[in-house]
Amino acid sequence: AQRVTQPEKLLSVFKGAPVELKCNYSYSGSPELFWYVQYSRQRLQLLLRHISRESIKGFTADLNKGETSFHLKKPFAQEEDSAMYYCAPFRGSARQLTFGSGTQLTVLP
Amino acid sequence: GAVVSQHPSWVICKSGTSVKIECRSLDFQATTMFWYRQFPKQSLMLMATSNEGSKATYEQGVEKDKFLINHASLTLSTLTVTSAHPEDSSFYICSASLSDRGLGYTFGSGTRLTVV
Repeated sequence: AQRVTQPEKLLSVFKGAPVELKCNYSYSGSPELFWYVQYSRQRLQLLLRHISRESIKGFTADLNKGETSFHLKKPFAQEEDSAMYYCAPFRGSARQLTFGSGTQLTVLP
Repeated sequence: GAVVSQHPSWVICKSGTSVKIECRSLDFQATTMFWYRQFPKQSLMLMATSNEGSKATYEQGVEKDKFLINHASLTLSTLTVTSAHPEDSSFYICSASLSDRGLGYTFGSGTRLTVV
């Protein structure tokens, strides 16, 4: 079964410190993975797609097939990065988006 | 662009009544929409896939007779919670696929349902 694991439910870092939110996947075939973010009182929004290899708001995520990981990283965290982050794979031919358990990131001043 | 509007944002209803939640794609056509349920401090759980002009596909464990989904047009999908019970109280979120643009999904702002 296609599944992602976000081992950290809560993560706190100080402003300016590097941050890494972990996501591991177990898949058959080639996964399509996304990171979604939900800021307080806002709707869920797309942050990154693994196929685009882009950097959004300073965040990057590389698909590591050897480690089956898609960790989200930012070298210098900002207070406005505090939010809930979800690692999300497409599932199957129907391309349904499913979600990991999420990591609540808090960036302390 | 690519905005999904969800209505109402919150609703309180009595046990045994039915509640309809609407999900509209405002500036694009969505042949496929998805309905999720989110419990407090938990992740989103996919309930069903709504396809325009055909029957919805429900995830395992989701009662299709309780959660009626209708996707009659390319811009509107509705979720009706029938004979609501307090355990149906939750946050319901819809989304639409933008995969043909390589943009993933766009999400509605959610509906907080409280059944009393």
